[in-house]
Amino acid sequence: SAVISQKPSRDICQRGTSLTIQCQVDSQVTMMFWYRQQPGQSLTLIATANQGSEATYESGFVIDKFPISRPNLTFSTLTVSNMSPEDSSIYLCSVELVVNEQFFGPGTRLTVL
Amino acid sequence: DAKTTQPNSMESNEEEPVHLPCNHSTISGTDYIHWYRQLPSQGPEYVIHGLTSNVNNRMASLAIAEDRKSSTLILHRATLRDAAVYYCILRDVGYSGAGSYQLTFGKGTKLSVIP
Repeated sequence: SAVISQKPSRDICQRGTSLTIQCQVDSQVTMMFWYRQQPGQSLTLIATANQGSEATYESGFVIDKFPISRPNLTFSTLTVSNMSPEDSSIYLCSVELVVNEQFFGPGTRLTVL
Repeated sequence: DAKTTQPNSMESNEEEPVHLPCNHSTISGTDYIHWYRQLPSQGPEYVIHGLTSNVNNRMASLAIAEDRKSSTLILHRATLRDAAVYYCILRDVGYSGAGSYQLTFGKGTKLSVIP
């Protein structure tokens, strides 16, 4: 299994500001995934982050709004830029350490006022 | 990705077996059937996965129909800790690039366990 930590666990931010969320894994992994879970909704994939290459974004998500860094095999960051209240969500990272088993972090609960 | 259909909610009594159904009539031959669950205020947790044969692990059993158009997640004795949203997800086993490992979550089934 993999142990995944995220920082911060929660935050309350003002509109127009940016927040960077960190995801740390206790094992080296090739791919990390970033998901968003809006209130009362299911998870939606934002992007896939491979170490050493640009992240691959899903339809509806763009790099200017959600820049991602992947400096090494155990760490990634997701920035939510120029936030609005619609960005209030839980943001989760995940990894697939064992084929067909993804492990998820505890999530970062973001509230934008 | 092929779609899945699950009931919105189900109830079970504590210590009774629970059968959570999932329909996936458009499943392709290389789609694995995955189940994840999300407990309140937590990230999703892997439960089980399978391709054609029934599967058992310490958490649950997965029964797959012979035509693979449906499957059932079986919790043998529900506990209060099993109250969660259960997601049935199909994913192609073939590797074709960065996007092939993504999980596409539907709305899932919210399981309530009654003491």
